[in-house]
Amino acid sequence: DGGITQSPKYLFRKEGQNVTLSCEQNLNHDAMYWYRQDPGQGLRLIYYSQIVNDFQKGDIAEGYSVSREKKESFPLTVTSAQKNPTAFYLCASSIGSGRSETQYFGPGTRLLVL
Amino acid sequence: AQSVSQHNHHVILSEAASLELGCNYSYGGTVNLFWYVQYPGQHLQLLLKYFSGDPLVKGIKGFEAEFIKSKFSFNLRKPSVQWSDTAEYFCAVINNAGNMLTFGGGTRLMVKP
Repeated sequence: DGGITQSPKYLFRKEGQNVTLSCEQNLNHDAMYWYRQDPGQGLRLIYYSQIVNDFQKGDIAEGYSVSREKKESFPLTVTSAQKNPTAFYLCASSIGSGRSETQYFGPGTRLLVL
Repeated sequence: AQSVSQHNHHVILSEAASLELGCNYSYGGTVNLFWYVQYPGQHLQLLLKYFSGDPLVKGIKGFEAEFIKSKFSFNLRKPSVQWSDTAEYFCAVINNAGNMLTFGGGTRLMVKP
């Protein structure tokens, strides 16, 4: 069954703690993306990766870090520097990164701060 | 910088009513536009997309959208909504490099049975 999986579905973070959100795809897509969804603001791009071992900052990268060591995996770390981390995080992937490519989304992880 | 505006944040309709959700974009390059839908508890999924050609684009579940270049708009329409159309709808534009998908703020549609 092909698709994008994100885990966990819900994640709780304590003050000063780093947490990592998982994103895996078995679609053989080259490009992967992380978005943050807040009510009334749509989705905003955090980081994207067009190829293994390469990634670029999006609009709101501060307080986040990523790695792309494998084609199928693009984990996102929410660091303690992110002052307002409570949000719904969506991972996406596309075959390539051309403008005609459609992005496909995972089910999301909801991060809550205790 | 590209941007997308969706002016209707919440829309409530009765079943069988017609739907039009507004989307205006700002982008200086060649425009590729998308409408995504997020049903309650489900993944964000693609409804339809415009890349080139016929400005009237048909998508899944009876939805369509019209690209009007002179108005910088890409409004979503459906002639007769159903209760199952209750969802949040997002308009998006992608940049020329294909690495930056910019979303509007979303429109929550509630269809009353």
